[in-house]
Amino acid sequence: GAGVSQSPSNKVTEKGKDVELRCDPISGHTALYWYRQSLGQGLEFLIYFQGNSAPDKSGLPSDRFSAERTGGSVSTLTIQRTQQEDSAVYLCASSPPGQPQHFGDGTRLSIL
Amino acid sequence: AQSVTQPDIHITVSEGASLELRCNYSYGATPYLFWYVQSPGQGLQLLLKYFSGDTLVQGIKGFEAEFKRSQSSFNLRKPSVHWSDAAEYFCAVGAGTYKYIFGTGTRLKVLA
Repeated sequence: GAGVSQSPSNKVTEKGKDVELRCDPISGHTALYWYRQSLGQGLEFLIYFQGNSAPDKSGLPSDRFSAERTGGSVSTLTIQRTQQEDSAVYLCASSPPGQPQHFGDGTRLSIL
Repeated sequence: AQSVTQPDIHITVSEGASLELRCNYSYGATPYLFWYVQSPGQGLQLLLKYFSGDTLVQGIKGFEAEFKRSQSSFNLRKPSVHWSDAAEYFCAVGAGTYKYIFGTGTRLKVLA
């Protein structure tokens, strides 16, 4: 597709379960970002991938959060042992180096 | 520390009226500045960006923004608001080669 694709668009799960969120960036975009958007908050940076370089994981809030990017393209954000405070919209963005980001529509995660 | 402040959480204007959304930033070097718009259930769309040069930048949908270094501001303006402009608006600053800091957003309501 032409834009950043995220799946699922909505995810409801029980506290304590693991979840995987997927991001398909725009073809050719070497940079990929994950953000968390909580109600009434701005975007909280989680992790950044650039090409084959080591990712910047400095924004991950705890060791329950991890992310991978396979083959420099698709990325998966995994949250283990989910907690209610993990409920948020998770946004993925991609860009060519040094250019503005293009955002997906996000995954709305609800933890019961 | 680097930061972005959007002092207005909510703004309501009548259709056809002019609009100004405020953004102040704190950043030690010359910033890259952005405005994004987010409609409900969607990701962020880039309205305009400032990298260098002319301090008045034009964007999509009739928006413009002016970079004022002396005031550390990058306010977004539109001379005549349309009902379809109702959305949430985010200001962001590029803090380094790839880090972006987002404000907490301003929600715009447009009265018919």
